[in-house]
Parts: sequence; C-alpha cells; structure tokens
Amino acid sequence: NAGVTQTPKFQVLKTGQSMTLQCAQDMNHEYMSWYRQDPGMGLRLIHYSVGAGITDQGEVPNGYNVSRSTTEDFPLRLLSAAPSQTSVYFCASSAGNSGNTIYFGEGSWLTVV
Amino acid sequence: GENVEQHPSTLSVQEGDSAVIKCTYSDSASNYFPWYKQELGKRPQLIIDIRSNVGEKKDQRIAVTLNKTAKHFSLHITETQPEDSAVYFCAARMNRDDKIIFGKGTRLHILP
Repeated sequence: NAGVTQTPKFQVLKTGQSMTLQCAQDMNHEYMSWYRQDPGMGLRLIHYSVGAGITDQGEVPNGYNVSRSTTEDFPLRLLSAAPSQTSVYFCASSAGNSGNTIYFGEGSWLTVV
Repeated sequence: GENVEQHPSTLSVQEGDSAVIKCTYSDSASNYFPWYKQELGKRPQLIIDIRSNVGEKKDQRIAVTLNKTAKHFSLHITETQPEDSAVYFCAARMNRDDKIIFGKGTRLHILP
C-alpha cells in the first residue's frame, strides 16, 4: 500500500512549456484533489474530484487542467507554464465525503524560469 | 466566497507552556474540521480532527474545540515540546460541494 504517489518530485520548466504532474493512489479513494503551497499563502485548492469522471474547480484553477478517467489517477496539467506557477504542489485523497482523513502525497517542487 | 481564516500566523511559546491556534470558517454547513502539522520539506500530516456533531476532542496533549454558532474552532497543545515546532494548518470541508479549504497556516516556535 503505497498511499498517494506523486511524480516528478522536482521539475524545472521554461515559461510557455507544458507538463503534467502525475498523482496516483492505491487506497480506492473517491475524493482526490490538488493544492499548491506558497510561502504565507497556505494550501490553496486548485482542482478536485469526488469520483471518476467528475472534476471541479477549486480556489485557484486558472492555468491548470485535470481529468479523472480512473479512480486511481488524477493528473494535473500545466497548459503554458508561467513564473507565477512556481510552487510546491500536493496531491491529496480521502475515502469520501463523510469527513475521512485526507492523505497527502510527498509534494512536487516546480520552478518555472 | 468560502474561506477559512487562521490566527496567528506566527506563534512563539516557551517549552512546557500551552499553544492555541484559532480558525474561523464561512460556510455554516461545514461538517468536518481537520488539523494538519507540516515539518520543513515534508507533507502535511493529520494530527487531529473533529466533526460538526462534536464540541471537543482530545488526544493526549492535543485538543480541538468547535463552536458551530460562532463558526470557529481551535487547536490546543499543552506541555509543548521542541518537536511541536512546525507549521500547523486548519481546514474545513464545505458540505455543499465537498471542497476542503485550508487556512494559511501558523508557524509555531517552541522556545527552549
């Protein structure tokens, strides 16, 4: 049971490039989400999903796309990277909407130059 | 919009003293309130949580209280130890759409 797995752990992008952050969980969790963490800003919700085939926007969705074709995977796509997207990204999952524990991945450190 | 406010942003306490961190939330229908601890370079880890049908919950030196009328909840750490130094986040699950919104965090320093 690996929990929530994110890749890559570190990435440097040039402005305008696109990339995908991968997230997978092996706990059969329905709920998955992506957060970004910036100094002094806490954890801000980008996108989330309450089940396969369902996604919705969080607090800061602009510049990011997501899809949820399977229960296990929830990739985050940066369409055209900007320096403002330099951040630490965390994927998270939980069993459902009944207040179950949210488990975080180890984080992905992204720098856009 | 929906939000969670957390205070203070930084807190320093003497080792052995108590620390209190407070959060308020905007969605009166929120039903789940977890607290996370994050050490430098690590992922956030759950330390305690409370549901909307409970007013208080304790786990050894950590306790959380919830006031639904006032829409605020607090984390209490007693007999603080050096290993309690970290950033602490509160969060609230919005009942309407299941979003989980976090506060901006409190950096807790335990002074020797």
